[in-house]
Amino acid sequence: EAGVTQFPSHSVIEKGQTVTLRCDPISGHDNLYWYRRVMGKEIKFLLHFVKESKQDESGMPNNRFLAERTGGTYSTLKVQPAELEDSGVYFCASSPHESGGEFFGPGTRLTVL
Amino acid sequence: GENVEQHPSTLSVQEGDSAVIKCTYSDSASNYFPWYKQELGKRPQLIIDIRSNVGEKKDQRIAVTLNKTAKHFSLHITETQPEDSAVYFCAVKGGGSYIPTFGRGTSLIVHP
Repeated sequence: EAGVTQFPSHSVIEKGQTVTLRCDPISGHDNLYWYRRVMGKEIKFLLHFVKESKQDESGMPNNRFLAERTGGTYSTLKVQPAELEDSGVYFCASSPHESGGEFFGPGTRLTVL
Repeated sequence: GENVEQHPSTLSVQEGDSAVIKCTYSDSASNYFPWYKQELGKRPQLIIDIRSNVGEKKDQRIAVTLNKTAKHFSLHITETQPEDSAVYFCAVKGGGSYIPTFGRGTSLIVHP
């Protein structure tokens, strides 16, 4: 079974630019989560999709972040315009059930200069 | 919201020793407690979990214990090996929310 995949693995951009991260969940997993980890800190929740619907986006830091999951399959997370504090590792995870554990992707390391 | 504290932040042990990592949480309604292991450069992986109707769960060299009254749960690794070296994250779910709250992680180093 293929795991969760994310693209790109690394991205280095300048402040003010736009970056789009992609996540492909495990096939059949309705639940898709986005998280961010800043070095040395906890993994912080950004938002949760159930199929194509945003179930909870309370963790999105501001309106520079936009997530979509058209068709309930893969998801994208766009940051526009990027700021220095957006640097970190962005993880995507998927799960078949909301109440259980999650399968993580390898993460995208975003560096904003 | 839920508040999760994880200790210690770093733990260094000799191969063969035991390691214990503890997490405390604030919401007594929380009911699902997973542990994730993240090796260097790899993705976090679920290694063991426990639900609130169980006090202890074991899987070979790893175990998790839950004290609902005190609102804390712990990961126990026995007979540690160098390949156990990683960052371990606890998480808490439930209490009306399916959004997990993670601890800050514990960097475990097992010296051969």
